[in-house]
Amino acid sequence: DTGVSQNPRHKITKRGQNVTFRCDPISEHNRLYWYRQTLGQGPEFLTYFQNEAQLEKSRLLSDRFSAERPKGSFSTLEIQRTEQGDSAMYLCASLPGPRETQYFGPGTRLLVL
Amino acid sequence: AQKITQTQPGMFVQEKEAVTLDCTYDTSDQSYGLFWYKQPSSGEMIFLIYQGSYDEQNATEGRYSLNFQKARKSANLVISASQLGDSAMYFCAMRVTTSGTYKYIFGTGTRLKVLA
Repeated sequence: DTGVSQNPRHKITKRGQNVTFRCDPISEHNRLYWYRQTLGQGPEFLTYFQNEAQLEKSRLLSDRFSAERPKGSFSTLEIQRTEQGDSAMYLCASLPGPRETQYFGPGTRLLVL
Repeated sequence: AQKITQTQPGMFVQEKEAVTLDCTYDTSDQSYGLFWYKQPSSGEMIFLIYQGSYDEQNATEGRYSLNFQKARKSANLVISASQLGDSAMYFCAMRVTTSGTYKYIFGTGTRLKVLA
């Protein structure tokens, strides 16, 4: 029984570059969340998928951010034209049903220089 | 406003002692869920314990128990017999319903340091 995996674990990029992160949820988990966590804060909701449908996006998610979950399996989060303020930990969580517990991946640490 | 408040930025506890981490919440939902997660320095959020708003008994999971006081809107985590490996950040979270979907709101966390 594998858990949620995220790749890459670390990413260093220059301001203005595009980055893409991948999340592989626990198999059969049809719900998937993306969060952003900055230093000294708890995770903040970014977006939510039920199967392949993106049902909600936070206002934190500017036009530079896009997320997809093709075929309701893995998900990708892309940040275009990165800014230094995008530096954070990006966490993915999956769960099998609406009132179940979330299980988190190890996160992707992004540093924008 | 839907909010989780953790007022203790940092806590120390002696090994083998019990410690209580505070969490208060604010929501107008009648049905909600409360969670505690542990985040070691590696960054992964580890689920510890869950309490539903309609659960009458306090949740327990091994050395973890959740002291749920609904009228006071508090959901404190009690760790008994602390171990050095318990040193980590601890986050309280609440599941609420917003626009027909479930959302999870996290507090700012408490850093726990267990002393040998």
